[in-house]
Amino acid sequence: QVQLQESGPGLVKPSQTLSLTCTVSGGSISSGSYYWSWIRQPAGKGLEWIGRNYIGGSPNYNPSLRSRVTISVDTSKNQFSLKLSSVTAADTAMYYCTRGSSLNAFDIWGQGTMVTVSS
Amino acid sequence: DIQMTQSPSSLSASVGDRVTITCRASQGISNYLAWYQQRPGKVPKLLIYAASTLRSGVPSRFSGSGSGTDFTLTISSLQPEDVATYYCQKSNSAPLTFGGGTKVEIK
Repeated sequence: QVQLQESGPGLVKPSQTLSLTCTVSGGSISSGSYYWSWIRQPAGKGLEWIGRNYIGGSPNYNPSLRSRVTISVDTSKNQFSLKLSSVTAADTAMYYCTRGSSLNAFDIWGQGTMVTVSS
Repeated sequence: DIQMTQSPSSLSASVGDRVTITCRASQGISNYLAWYQQRPGKVPKLLIYAASTLRSGVPSRFSGSGSGTDFTLTISSLQPEDVATYYCQKSNSAPLTFGGGTKVEIK
């Protein structure tokens, strides 16, 4: 079955760019009508959708983060990635990558990776 | 953008009680509504999609209903393993907003 695994630095300095990768295993990122999303959760708080991308489509981003976010898909590596620029302490959170569809929602989640923004 | 509002934000109930959580969308979203369970320290897990379709493997004590703007998640008989925070989420068009969450505890 399809599994997702996040990877990337656990510590990012303020004003720098946070970069995470999600590796898809057990299936092709190109198959099916799925979108590939990033979601984050600050400690003790709720879930925040960051954005999505999908094969043959244009990415969509949370309006509150749109100016700083890029989500891209690399079919050759079966991966998708998140870049969040100009980070501050407010971007400290657990970051999850997920697979979703309009009707089936976010049916597969990675285990999450904790990112701390600190000097 | 469509806002998703859950109520209550927390509740405490006894084992065996019927528990109901409400999610309201600020505009109609047809049946594009999902419910997730997040146990303490764990990854969120999809319970229900398309407002009322129970995901395979999810206990039948969980059920969802609603369409348009008002939705409900019901646990028919609360069990100790149901202690968690529950989130609703609109799944059709971006932004794919989550509700604020409902924390369920055992009394």
